[in-house]
Amino acid sequence: ETGVTQTPRHLVMGMTNKKSLKCEQHLGHNAMYWYKQSAKKPLELMFVYSLEERVENNSVPSRFSPECPNSSHLFLHLHTLQPEDSALYLCASSQEGQGITYNEQFFGPGTRLTVL
Amino acid sequence: AQSVAQPEDQVNVAEGNPLTVKCTYSVSGNPYLFWYVQYPNRGLQFLLKYITGDNLVKGSYGFEAEFNKSQTSFHLKKPSALVSDSALYFCAVSDGGSQGNLIFGKGTKLSVKP
Repeated sequence: ETGVTQTPRHLVMGMTNKKSLKCEQHLGHNAMYWYKQSAKKPLELMFVYSLEERVENNSVPSRFSPECPNSSHLFLHLHTLQPEDSALYLCASSQEGQGITYNEQFFGPGTRLTVL
Repeated sequence: AQSVAQPEDQVNVAEGNPLTVKCTYSVSGNPYLFWYVQYPNRGLQFLLKYITGDNLVKGSYGFEAEFNKSQTSFHLKKPSALVSDSALYFCAVSDGGSQGNLIFGKGTKLSVKP
């Protein structure tokens, strides 16, 4: 596997379900991100992990819970979601750190989430 | 606060003609500017970036972009469009904060017809 992978690619869940999205990066990067992409709206940054420390976006509802067990893996735990949470969830990674110029982010293919 | 605007929802171009996808930005400090492309059912792919230096930046697949500080613009260009360039294009900006956050535009759909 190369680049950034995400599983599952598609997920349908009810509002009472609990599910998790998984992201894995094979690039040796030290920062990982969760984005939400909804139709006709700009990409929304949800969470950032840099050097395995979380920077939380305060506008993200608590029904979304990220987990970064190591620099290569990122999870997004979902519970009691709403239909308006249906979207494409994208994971990305980059190499950040002192003395490194601003590097681009590499994106996974996304998980298409539908909440019924 | 930083922001980015892509004024066109869609751009239509005939194959072989030059294309331009517009982007303007607003940041408090020096801008870090990016273009990404998204094909159907795929994640975003990096095309090019401007950090510092030459205002004309060349990227993947023959694309280039020109940084214009006075107009706060970073338009994406290609001299001769291909049908395979049809996709969704995103401009992004950052002020280089330590977390590497990017603010994305809403995207411009490029349609290249044969």
